[in-house]
Amino acid sequence: QLQLQESGPGLVKPSESLSLTCTISGGSISSSSYYWAWIRQSPGKGLEWIGSVYYSGSTYYNPSLKSRVTISVDTPTNQFSLRLSSVTAADTAVYYCARAPWMHVGWFDPWGQGTLVTVSS
Amino acid sequence: EIVLTQSPGTLSFSPGETATLSCRASQNVSSTYLAWYQQKPGQAPRLLIYGAFTRATGIPDRFSGSGSGTDFTLTISRLEPEDFAIYYCQQYVSSAGAFGQGTRVEVK
Repeated sequence: QLQLQESGPGLVKPSESLSLTCTISGGSISSSSYYWAWIRQSPGKGLEWIGSVYYSGSTYYNPSLKSRVTISVDTPTNQFSLRLSSVTAADTAVYYCARAPWMHVGWFDPWGQGTLVTVSS
Repeated sequence: EIVLTQSPGTLSFSPGETATLSCRASQNVSSTYLAWYQQKPGQAPRLLIYGAFTRATGIPDRFSGSGSGTDFTLTISRLEPEDFAIYYCQQYVSSAGAFGQGTRVEVK
């Protein structure tokens, strides 16, 4: 059974960069059938797709975040990562990683349990 | 950008009743590109329906999706205690996709 687990700092200072990693178990990130996504959820903006990566390294970003987002894949470790630069309080959210079985912004299944990231000095 | 509106924000039902949840899109969304999720407190969203009608693996058949164009519906028949949660719709026809704001199904 495929499982995803987010990891990374829970507190980030304003203007710094947020970095998270998603570790996949029970399956391979190198499967040609899937994309791998980051999604966040905040009380103010609800659920928001951040971006997705394919095992080849191709990336797809939400236009509203594109200038600050980098998503990368590390196939030997079966992980993919998110970096969000120049964060502000508006980036405080629960961050989820998920598999996208059909296209880079299709439906998402399954999801990791999520990790809360707070932006505060 | 296509905006999804879920209203009302909260619906109240008794166990055993049938819940009908609405998701309205600001522009036409092919039924191929509409999904529904369930979220319980402290948990990640769980995929229920994709392609507007197709149940995800392991989802009970009391959950069903319907609709086309701009109006979509999630129906939960014979509400079980574990079905009281927040439900989100999502469209993935546009480049960034979008989720609705959710409908909370609570116990009457």
